[in-house]
Amino acid sequence: GAVVSQHPSWVICKSGTSVKIECRSLDFQATTMFWYRQFPKQSLMLMATSNEGSKATYEQGVEKDKFLINHASLTLSTLTVTSAHPEDSSFYICSARGSVYAYEQYFGPGTRLTVT
Amino acid sequence: KQEVTQIPAALSVPEGENLVLNCSFTDSAIYNLQWFRQDPGKGLTSLLLIQSSQREQTSGRLNASLDKSSGRSTLYIAASQPGDSATYLCARHNYGQNFVFGPGTRLSVLP
Repeated sequence: GAVVSQHPSWVICKSGTSVKIECRSLDFQATTMFWYRQFPKQSLMLMATSNEGSKATYEQGVEKDKFLINHASLTLSTLTVTSAHPEDSSFYICSARGSVYAYEQYFGPGTRLTVT
Repeated sequence: KQEVTQIPAALSVPEGENLVLNCSFTDSAIYNLQWFRQDPGKGLTSLLLIQSSQREQTSGRLNASLDKSSGRSTLYIAASQPGDSATYLCARHNYGQNFVFGPGTRLSVLP
């Protein structure tokens, strides 16, 4: 089956610094990748959608200058949290879709970000 | 606005019981309805995917049904085990669109 990995699985950073999270599709080419955020005991909320080679589309209320998304290749998307604050502490999950016509998304294992 | 709700929010049952988790959605023009399991601090594990033209899917002790007319899906777990303890999320998605997740049901199966 299709596998999506994320790196790192957990990260602790100091307030004001930036942190990058990688999402990779290991055995398929992902034309579209999605980034979700999940706060404790809450469900997943879509942050942004990125298509390979294009600018990401952000959901309402998500600051695009704070959450930088790059989808430079068909197997890699990165999410950079810039000038992180404690309120950015959350569980970030990516998913990938093989083509614009596909309906299945494959989810990564998630990255736990803690900002101190 | 697309909405997905799940009841109950939390459920605690003794081992061996059969149980039903409920998922409701507001838009009947859905394409797929998918059930996931999430263990604490972990990512999502896909359990069952029901396409819009289907009415149910089964995998082992799990059975999921879909009733588009009433906007409901149920996940039936037979003979529950402590290892079934997790949060169960349902998500709906339309062709080419994003997943919309429900808030989840936290299940505890007591030995």
